[in-house]
Amino acid sequence: GAVVSQHPSWVICKSGTSVKIECRSLDFQATTMFWYRQFPKQSLMLMATSNEGSKATYEQGVEKDKFLINHASLTLSTLTVTSAHPEDSSFYICSARDSGQSTDTQYFGPGTRLTVL
Amino acid sequence: GDSVTQMEGPVTLSEEAFLTINCTYTATGYPSLFWYVQYPGEGLQLLLKATKADDKGSNKGFEATYRKETTSFHLEKGSVQVSDSAVYFCALRVRTSGSRLTFGEGTQLTVNP
Repeated sequence: GAVVSQHPSWVICKSGTSVKIECRSLDFQATTMFWYRQFPKQSLMLMATSNEGSKATYEQGVEKDKFLINHASLTLSTLTVTSAHPEDSSFYICSARDSGQSTDTQYFGPGTRLTVL
Repeated sequence: GDSVTQMEGPVTLSEEAFLTINCTYTATGYPSLFWYVQYPGEGLQLLLKATKADDKGSNKGFEATYRKETTSFHLEKGSVQVSDSAVYFCALRVRTSGSRLTFGEGTQLTVNP
C-alpha cells in the first residue's frame, strides 16, 4: 500500500531554535498534504492544508508565521516550527492525499515527536 | 461545527472477547464516516468507512454501521486478538470540506492473551 514517511521521527531542541519536519509520499503523488498536531490522549487537530505549488491554508488559531509550511513538490511537504518554545512540544502527524484516487483516500505518516527544552 | 466523540479508554480485553468502541458525531452536512487504526510506531491506517446512512463498513473482522438516526458509528468485533491492540480513531468528512477529516480522541485497546 501507499507509504508516507516523516523525518525525523523524534527531535529535541532548545527553546528559540527552529525545527524542520519532512513529510514524503514514497510511491504516489500528493497534490494535497495535511499537517496535524496531537496532544497526549487527545484527538488529532488539523493545523493546515498544504497544496503543491501554492500557499498553505491554515486553520483558525494556528500561527502561519510560526508554523511555516512548504509544499514544493508532489512528494514532499515540510513543516518548520520557528522559534520553538516548550508549549510547541507535541506529536506532529502529516497525511497525504493520493492525487490519483478519490478524496477519501489519505495516507498518514508515523508522526514526529517534538520536545522543546 | 463538526465534531466526533469516542468512548473514553483505555479498553482492556482478553483474547476472543467482544469489542465495542462507541462513536457519535455532530456534522453540519452529510458526512462520510471512518475508523482509523494506529499500531505502535506506525501511521494511522484506514480500517473501514461508510458513506451513507445504513451502510456497513467492514474489514479484518471489524464492523461499523452508519446510523443517521442516532448519529453513531460504533466499531465492533466479535472476537479480538492480541494483534488488534492499537489506538482506534473515529473520524468524519463532510463533502463540502474536501478531504479534511475531523477526528475523535482515539481509544487505546489492549488485548491480553
